[in-house]
Amino acid sequence: AQSVTQLGSHVSVSEGALVLLRCNYSSSVPPYLFWYVQYPNQGLQLLLKYTSAATLVKGINGFEAEFKKSETSFHLTKPSAHMRDAAEYFCAVSHSGGYQKVTFGIGTKLQVIP
Amino acid sequence: KAGVTQTPRYLIKTRGQQVTLSCSPISGHRSVSWYQQTPGQGLQFLFEYFSETQRNKGNFPGRFSGRQFSNSRSEMNVSTLELGDSALYLCASSLTAGTSGRGAIGEQYFGPGTRLTVT
Repeated sequence: AQSVTQLGSHVSVSEGALVLLRCNYSSSVPPYLFWYVQYPNQGLQLLLKYTSAATLVKGINGFEAEFKKSETSFHLTKPSAHMRDAAEYFCAVSHSGGYQKVTFGIGTKLQVIP
Repeated sequence: KAGVTQTPRYLIKTRGQQVTLSCSPISGHRSVSWYQQTPGQGLQFLFEYFSETQRNKGNFPGRFSGRQFSNSRSEMNVSTLELGDSALYLCASSLTAGTSGRGAIGEQYFGPGTRLTVT
């Protein structure tokens, strides 16, 4: 079984401040982990993914995430928030053994305050 | 390369009616997954099709069904609509590789969704 917990359904940061969105996962086998972003009235777009290579993963738009097995975490960070980062962010886990089975977290809405 | 397309983008139906949603995956992608997104439940997996076969199914009633055609396009059907079916329905395509081990990366490309409103 696999699951994802995103801590904080809403996060507010000031423009220029650090963005930290938390994600903890549960998986009985080594996981694949993803962060997706959803802008209003759009589908989800992949920000970054962890597939057992480097534990620090760099994604698009200046985001990065670090896989910490001991903490079962995959938190998303960005050093400096921009207004355009306001969106909803989803953490997801897959332990695909050939089948496409991805479990998404509930999502975190990021508000950026000017 | 064209992205995932979904039609229609918006739909309003009445309780008891049925609806069919369509999804065209990225060219070359053979896996299509469907999700229901609502404010309270988040993204919930409906089902996944690969090469015209349903491989995975979520915990939805039998009123939700789908199919995939030989060109990988997929349709989702909901019969006897209920108010609670109002949601954004997202389709995602992926290029899965192999049938065992860690061959499938799981990276999915999402369409813009179909916003279904049931009145």
